[in-house]
Amino acid sequence: AQSVSQHNHHVILSEAASLELGCNYSYGGTVNLFWYVQYPGQHLQLLLKYFSGDPLVKGIKGFEAEFIKSKFSFNLRKPSVQWSDTAEYFCAVNGGGSGTYKYIFGTGTRLKVLA
Amino acid sequence: DARVTQTPRHKVTEMGQEVTMRCQPILGHNTVFWYRQTMMQGLELLAYFRNRAPLDDSGMPKDRFSAEMPDATLATLKIQPSEPRDSAVYFCASSDNLNTEAFFGQGTRLTVV
Repeated sequence: AQSVSQHNHHVILSEAASLELGCNYSYGGTVNLFWYVQYPGQHLQLLLKYFSGDPLVKGIKGFEAEFIKSKFSFNLRKPSVQWSDTAEYFCAVNGGGSGTYKYIFGTGTRLKVLA
Repeated sequence: DARVTQTPRHKVTEMGQEVTMRCQPILGHNTVFWYRQTMMQGLELLAYFRNRAPLDDSGMPKDRFSAEMPDATLATLKIQPSEPRDSAVYFCASSDNLNTEAFFGQGTRLTVV
């Protein structure tokens, strides 16, 4: 069965610290990968996405993610976090080449950035 | 600014009552998803439609939940009868292609007392 694992459930960082959130997926085929952010009380918004090509993907607000196919991973990074990055982050996958349209989400990582 | 619109934004109802949540996908999007978000379970896919046809509703409790797309501009999620354990935020999302992201609505926060 398709699944997405996010190993860090809660992360607390000080401003200017570097961030890396882990995401591993289990999917038998070509995949599209996504990171979404959910600010408190809001809906999910896309941070970045990977479909093909360069495995290092840059998104909005200084975030980037690297797709490592051999490790089935798509970790999210940011060199220097800000207080405004406090939010919940979700990794998601869908079957790009298999015709499977549904997006499977991880359980999310709650990030708290201390000012 | 294209967006997915969900109504109502908040709903408080008594146990046993029927609840209907509505979603207007982005114009031109032909795939619509219903997700439920709770603290314990995270984001669960309840059902999704492509070109108005249900493709997968295996995540939905069939005895009380139903999802439909009466037309391309409206998706509905109905709970009858509602129970306190249905309390959650229900998100609708839409996409227009396999190789694009899903766009989410603001959600309906349901409280069943």
